[in-house]
Parts: sequence; C-alpha cells; structure tokens
Amino acid sequence: GENVEQHPSTLSVQEGDSAVIKCTYSDSASNYFPWYKQELGKRPQLIIDIRSNVGEKKDQRIAVTLNKTAKHFSLHITETQPEDSAVYFCAASIGTGGGADGLTFGKGTHLIIQP
Amino acid sequence: KAGVTQTPRYLIKTRGQQVTLSCSPISGHRSVSWYQQTPGQGLQFLFEYFSETQRNKGNFPGRFSGRQFSNSRSEMNVSTLELGDSALYLCASRRGSEETQYFGPGTRLLVL
Repeated sequence: GENVEQHPSTLSVQEGDSAVIKCTYSDSASNYFPWYKQELGKRPQLIIDIRSNVGEKKDQRIAVTLNKTAKHFSLHITETQPEDSAVYFCAASIGTGGGADGLTFGKGTHLIIQP
Repeated sequence: KAGVTQTPRYLIKTRGQQVTLSCSPISGHRSVSWYQQTPGQGLQFLFEYFSETQRNKGNFPGRFSGRQFSNSRSEMNVSTLELGDSALYLCASRRGSEETQYFGPGTRLLVL
C-alpha cells in the first residue's frame, strides 16, 4: 500500500519567515495530495490540495508544489504569523473522479512560530 | 451549510466492552470515511462507505466495523475493546465525485 513520509517532525521559525514542509509518497498511482492543518483539540482542516496534473498551486500565503517524477510534494508558507502555529499533515490517495481510496497521511509536522 | 458532526464527543469504556460512534456528513455528501488518530501511529484510514456500501478498508482487525444508512449517516463499531483502541476517531465526508474530504470534530475514546 501507499506510504507517506513527512519531514521535519518539528519546525520552529521566526514570525515573518517562511516555512517549508516536505513529503514523499511511494505509490506512483497516487494522484491527489491534500494538506491539513490541525490545531490543538480541533479537527483537521483542509488548507490546500493539488492533483497530479498540476505542478504547483498557490492560495495567498500558502503554496504546494508536486514533483511526480521524484514522488514528493511540499507545503510552503510565507510571511508566517502566530496563527500558523499548528500540526500540519500531508496525505496522498488515488482519486478516480468517481471516488478515491482512503487518505494515507504523513506523521505530521508541528510548526511553531516564534514571536 | 452545517459541517460534519460526530457523537458522542467523549467516551470512556472498559476493556472487553463494545462501542458505537456516529457521524453525520455534510448535507449532500454521500461518502463517509473513518480514521483513527493516535500519538504513536498518527492518522490511519479505517474504512469508507458510499451509498451504504463499504468501498475501501484499511488495515484494521475485524473488531472494527461500520455501516452507512440511506441518509448517509454512518456508524462505526468496535467490539471487544482493547487498551490500544484509545484514540481520537475522526470521520470525514465528501461528495462522491470529488476527492476533498471534510473532517468532523472527532470522538475521543478512552479504554480503561
């Protein structure tokens, strides 16, 4: 089955700096890659996703890049703010348009924004 | 539009008991997936239901089961509870034709 590796497990950055979280996946059939943010005691919330027919996607301060050949994808957060502090999870699945397999998640990255 | 809801939010059980958790998806969403979240194993996929049929299943023992009703609401059941079943159980719903999944707040299960 699919295996998703996520690094680093903890990332501390100064407020205003950029943060990058990287993930690799094993199954070349995976074609859907969402990123979730989970604050303490709350539900995971989708922040951005990308499909394998797209190399990069951006939404304000957040961007995701995908390298299908290398089977890795990354989350980039620019101009970090205190409210960006949370655990971030990457995931992969095989989307078929008519449905998708369950999401396989990375172990998460605890992002700490230092004031 | 109301989000995904789960009941109960917290549950304490003892080893050997069984438990049933409930999930109500976003209106119009026909797919419900269940995940187990623990500090050690992270988020792991349990199973997915679509139109009352289990479509996908993760690598969990048969003690974990689920079902979906005609109104898309889903339940999962864990029989013969073990200490290691203590976790946050999350459900997520999506439209059948889209990949994006929206999570509920979870049910925190503690097995003593």
